[in-house]
Amino acid sequence: RKEVEQDPGPFNVPEGATVAFNCTYSNSASQSFFWYRQDCRKEPKLLMSVYSSGNEDGRFTAQLNRASQYISLLIRDSKLSDSATYLCVVYAGNNRKLIWGLGTSLAVNP
Amino acid sequence: SQTIHQWPATLVQPVGSPLSLECTVEGTSNPNLYWYRQAAGRGLQLLFYSVGIGQISSEVPQNLSASRPQDRQFILSSKKLLLSDSGFYLCAWSDGLAGDTQYFGPGTRLTVL
Repeated sequence: RKEVEQDPGPFNVPEGATVAFNCTYSNSASQSFFWYRQDCRKEPKLLMSVYSSGNEDGRFTAQLNRASQYISLLIRDSKLSDSATYLCVVYAGNNRKLIWGLGTSLAVNP
Repeated sequence: SQTIHQWPATLVQPVGSPLSLECTVEGTSNPNLYWYRQAAGRGLQLLFYSVGIGQISSEVPQNLSASRPQDRQFILSSKKLLLSDSGFYLCAWSDGLAGDTQYFGPGTRLTVL
């Protein structure tokens, strides 16, 4: 089992749609969780950290389910500019490494 | 505010040639520094990380090396490039806390021919 798994997609949604991504992780001792966004041929950029209580930033909501070992990202009212690859990232706590998922590709269509 | 620079942005090199990629960070001190590679259609692979000057940890055995001659400078090198070294090289920094958010430079796209 991979340490961090994501559905690669692509997810094709119309503008204004709500879309959700899940990411599962294998290490139950994982401590920190993040969602990054990567545009084509660009560097990854932090979208949001994921807190135990869940957190929201505008149209984006992140949730953590420790019992089932997954995190989720919900995007409401999708915009064309949301088209990108969304990377799930986990820190297990026993070293200085982040574990990166392969990403989920989102295409928002007009 | 903190900024991270990488150069060059694009590089085309012949097999067997040397490589030197540089990364510098501004606006912070004693950052953790990281080199990643992202091959076409693949995930991010951590190559090296550094917690201080002269302190380098290697994650993947290969023909690449890294050095940190100054607090905010991180260099990725190779004596002889292989075709398999092609990829998108990304430098990142974090503020020194393990597991803290990492911020990336714009990357260097390397093609080895």
